[in-house]
Amino acid sequence: NAGVTQTPKFRVLKTGQSMTLLCAQDMNHEYMYWYRQDPGMGLRLIHYSVGEGTTAKGEVPDGYNVSRLKKQNFLLGLESAAPSQTSVYFCASSYSSRGISYEQYFGPGTRLTVT
Amino acid sequence: GQQVMQIPQYQHVQEGEDFTTYCNSSTTLSNIQWYKQRPGGHPVFLIQLVKSGEVKKQKRLTFQFGEAKKNSSLHITATQTTDVGTYFCAGRGMDSNYQLIWGAGTKLIIKP
Repeated sequence: NAGVTQTPKFRVLKTGQSMTLLCAQDMNHEYMYWYRQDPGMGLRLIHYSVGEGTTAKGEVPDGYNVSRLKKQNFLLGLESAAPSQTSVYFCASSYSSRGISYEQYFGPGTRLTVT
Repeated sequence: GQQVMQIPQYQHVQEGEDFTTYCNSSTTLSNIQWYKQRPGGHPVFLIQLVKSGEVKKQKRLTFQFGEAKKNSSLHITATQTTDVGTYFCAGRGMDSNYQLIWGAGTKLIIKP
């Protein structure tokens, strides 16, 4: 039982390049989330998904796209990376019951640097 | 929009001293969760508070949810080096089933 895994762990991009971050969970959770964490700040929600095939915007969605083609996977894409997207990216998933989500389980994070 | 303010940003303590972090929401919350993030690690769930005035304990950690469900606190008694990390509160608004509103975190630092 691996929980939530993220690939890659580290990545360096040049401005304008694109990349996809992969998140996978083996807990059969309905809800999945992508956050970014910048120094001295809390977690900011980028996008989230309440089930396979559905996604929604969070607090800071600009410059990112997501897809949830399979229940266990949640992909985060950067189409044209900018230095402002240098951050640590966390994926999380949560169990739900009667439409209410519970505690979130986090992956180990991806440290992205855009030069 | 909804905000959760968390203070202080940092707290330096001698090992054995107590530590407290406070969260205050601009709106009434349906529940509040607390997470701990070790340096270089990811957030790990500690506890969820749901009821008005609720108090829960986990060994040396005491969590409280205010009567108005707009504020919460975490108190650690007699800190140990294993307590080092950043503690986050995250509240769920009354009109949301999915999203958490995160505080900025309080970093617990043990003085050498």
